[in-house]
Amino acid sequence: DAMVIQNPRYQVTQFGKPVTLSCSQTLNHNVMYWYQQKSSQAPKLLFHYYDKDFNNEADTPDNFQSRRPNTSFCFLDIRSPGLGDAAMYLCATSRGGVGYGYTFGSGTRLTVV
Amino acid sequence: QQQVKQSPQSLIVQKGGISIINCAYENTAFDYFPWYQQFPGKGPALLIAIRPDVSEKKEGRFTISFNKSAKQFSLHIMDSQPGDSATYFCAASKGHPGANNLFFGTGTRLTVIP
Repeated sequence: DAMVIQNPRYQVTQFGKPVTLSCSQTLNHNVMYWYQQKSSQAPKLLFHYYDKDFNNEADTPDNFQSRRPNTSFCFLDIRSPGLGDAAMYLCATSRGGVGYGYTFGSGTRLTVV
Repeated sequence: QQQVKQSPQSLIVQKGGISIINCAYENTAFDYFPWYQQFPGKGPALLIAIRPDVSEKKEGRFTISFNKSAKQFSLHIMDSQPGDSATYFCAASKGHPGANNLFFGTGTRLTVIP
């Protein structure tokens, strides 16, 4: 089945130690998104790639970066995780354009110790 | 600034009852309004969506009602079942040259009591 896969499901990292979360898709969608979702809150868009074009949200901290080496993969890098970065990180894809729904992965739960 | 406002924050409904979740938006440029269902530990899944050129869309037990003049839309779950217990997010997006960025509401935690 076509899907969005996030690895790992759970990630524990030390305060200040760089961490990378990965996302892959078999849908061949143009757009890949990274969302941060804290407990009992709505997902918050961090950035997205439309093909190779990177779009950063204005309020996304510089601590968060992303790479998309090809259509199928996208990575979220957190350079120096703080305690406030503990959250569920959701990857989503879409075809791009209005009216196309997102397909979300199951998320990566990040814990910072 | 919250682009999409959602209420209630939580909702408890008896099995067989109707669950109603409401959302409101300000940006008249929004032209796509989906609802997502999220179970604990899972990513959100698209449930149903509507465009502003229609006032209602029904899929099985799920109905979206859309009021363009009031800038409001709602999700109705008929014959609610315990398996419907989840968090529901409304969302909105507008035409964007590169992608249809979604703005989410704050979510409603629905509990259906057997």
